Amino acid sequence: NAGVMQNPRHLVRRRGQEARLRCSPMKGHSHVYWYRQLPEEGLKFMVYLQKENIIDESGMPKERFSAEFPKEGPSILRIQQVVRGDSAAYFCASSGDRANQPQHFGDGTRLSIL
Amino acid sequence: DQQVKQNSPSLSVQEGRISILNCDYTNSMFDYFLWYKKYPAEGPTFLISISSIKDKNEDGRFTVFLNKSAKHLSLHIVPSQPGDSAVYFCAREYGNKLVFGAGTILRVKS
Repeated sequence: NAGVMQNPRHLVRRRGQEARLRCSPMKGHSHVYWYRQLPEEGLKFMVYLQKENIIDESGMPKERFSAEFPKEGPSILRIQQVVRGDSAAYFCASSGDRANQPQHFGDGTRLSIL
Repeated sequence: DQQVKQNSPSLSVQEGRISILNCDYTNSMFDYFLWYKKYPAEGPTFLISISSIKDKNEDGRFTVFLNKSAKHLSLHIVPSQPGDSAVYFCAREYGNKLVFGAGTILRVKS
């Protein structure tokens, strides 16, 4: 399967714990994006990364959220000290280097906070 | 504010007929628009896109029309099939990110 791979598919955390969401882009893609979908809403941009660089984090909450895309391995979205409001579906997308290429999405991680 | 609005939360269509999904946007400039389809518990799947230098783009049963003067785009699905039942999102590329509408639920009845 050469698509965008996200894991885990479902993640349950208690308030105050940390959540780590992983994303492996499509083969040949070097651009990774994270989006969040709250219940009954559309997807909202969070962050855009290339290898080892955060390019645009304008959609990231100022506290508790961080993202990385290391030279080796998947991109990680990290949420520290989770709260109930963090419950959502988190989607990762990737794209290639050419302009006007569509972003291709993974199946998401559904995060539930108890 | 680079808004994208889908004003119809849902649409119901008979199998074999045309489905028309609509989307309005603000603050036009050179833009790239996309349509995605999403099934429950899955990620959005790219369907078709259009650059603002064009008025129309067609791919099989899917055609997207762009009316720049009205700041409106629409997705036509002909003929509609039960497997097309899903949530459809229009999106606009803004810088390096996509700005999504709230989605329209399409139900195709057999």
